[in-house]
Amino acid sequence: NAGVTQTPKFRILKIGQSMTLQCTQDMNHNYMYWYRQDPGMGLKLIYYSVGAGITDKGEVPNGYNVSRSTTEDFPLRLELAAPSQTSVYFCASSPGRRRTEAFFGQGTRLTVV
Amino acid sequence: GQSLEQPSEVTAVEGAIVQINCTYQTSGFYGLSWYQQHDGGAPTFLSYNALDGLEETGRFSSFLSRSDSYGYLLLQELQMKDSASYFCAVGFYGQNFVFGPGTRLSVLP
Repeated sequence: NAGVTQTPKFRILKIGQSMTLQCTQDMNHNYMYWYRQDPGMGLKLIYYSVGAGITDKGEVPNGYNVSRSTTEDFPLRLELAAPSQTSVYFCASSPGRRRTEAFFGQGTRLTVV
Repeated sequence: GQSLEQPSEVTAVEGAIVQINCTYQTSGFYGLSWYQQHDGGAPTFLSYNALDGLEETGRFSSFLSRSDSYGYLLLQELQMKDSASYFCAVGFYGQNFVFGPGTRLSVLP
């Protein structure tokens, strides 16, 4: 039972480079989320999606883009990486229907130098 | 706006009971959840309150009072493995989640 799978687990980017963080879930959840977590801090919502073809901004969307072409996949795109984007990124999914149980991937640790 | 507050740190000894509080200034949410996160790991779901009152799940219980804008997580019979960060989170209609800043629990022998 894979759940939510994120790749890569670790990545070092140079300032100005771009990359895509991949997220796939096999639970047929409609709702998916991207969070970032800075050291010793809580989770901040970047983007979320309530179904294929529908995305919306969260608390800290600047510098990021997302797409949701299928129920399973919710990639996060970083354009022109900046040191402020050094963080751990978590993808999550939930079944919706007013349940607040979210299932998280293992995270991607990103460093921008 | 939406904001949740938690104590930054709590320390307790093995076998003890500890309560982690969560106060919020928000409305229109349908439930309060709690998550555990060990260092270097991902958050994992612990408990959920849709209605006021106490929900019990083994050694963990969670409480919600909407009239007091307050909830808490109660951990009983503390074990060393309970040392982790604990986050409260509210779920909103439209299905986005907002997390609190987290409480770091240290369990001492």
